Amino acid sequence: EVQLLESGGGLVQPGGSLRLSCAASGFTFSSYAMNWVRQAPGKGLEWVSVIGTSDTRTYYADSVKGRFTISRDNSKNTLYLQMNSLRVEDTAVYYCAKERDLLRFDYWGQGSLVTVSS
Amino acid sequence: QSALTQPPSASGSPGQSVTISCTGTSTDVGGYNYVSWYQQHPGKAPKLMIYDVTKRPSGVPDRFSGSKFGNTASLTVSGLQAEDEADYYCSSYAGSNIRVFGGGTKLTVL
Repeated sequence: EVQLLESGGGLVQPGGSLRLSCAASGFTFSSYAMNWVRQAPGKGLEWVSVIGTSDTRTYYADSVKGRFTISRDNSKNTLYLQMNSLRVEDTAVYYCAKERDLLRFDYWGQGSLVTVSS
Repeated sequence: QSALTQPPSASGSPGQSVTISCTGTSTDVGGYNYVSWYQQHPGKAPKLMIYDVTKRPSGVPDRFSGSKFGNTASLTVSGLQAEDEADYYCSSYAGSNIRVFGGGTKLTVL
């Protein structure tokens, strides 16, 4: 059974940093691209970032480029999102999602809430 | 990287059909056959309903279908059932390894 379990969310002040993790199981983690997608309270989904099967291909939404870094450790079956210079508008539930093929997000985690507030 | 445009709401009675549109541009929806649709119930993670414009993952009822014409993709739900009441989001490839979502449509079963 495929499982994606996010952790690391919490309350952080504006300008602060946080690292999210997504532990994967039930599939060959190293064979699939992985994404982060976020959802602000009461709002829609927003794509954040994608990483290819290795660590070398990473892409970001303009809203987080230069502040967020996506990475993965295939030996630990874990996806990460390092978030720096956090802003109030980064407040959201952050989901990790497995991308079976291009734009085919077939499995999602349960989400991790990040709150940026003073 | 602009969000795709969806109507905020849609509704239909049980048994009826409803279609939700997703409008982009020639650089995303119109430029690629990589459009997917997700269903999200309150407090839950999104669920893949349609991918590659028209394909259904196993386990998704054939009441759900997708199509595309020009820069607009559509999701049609036929034979509406109470459990179809949820938020629906489209997503498209936008080139250069960028993905984009629509703003979401709240589907109400009357």
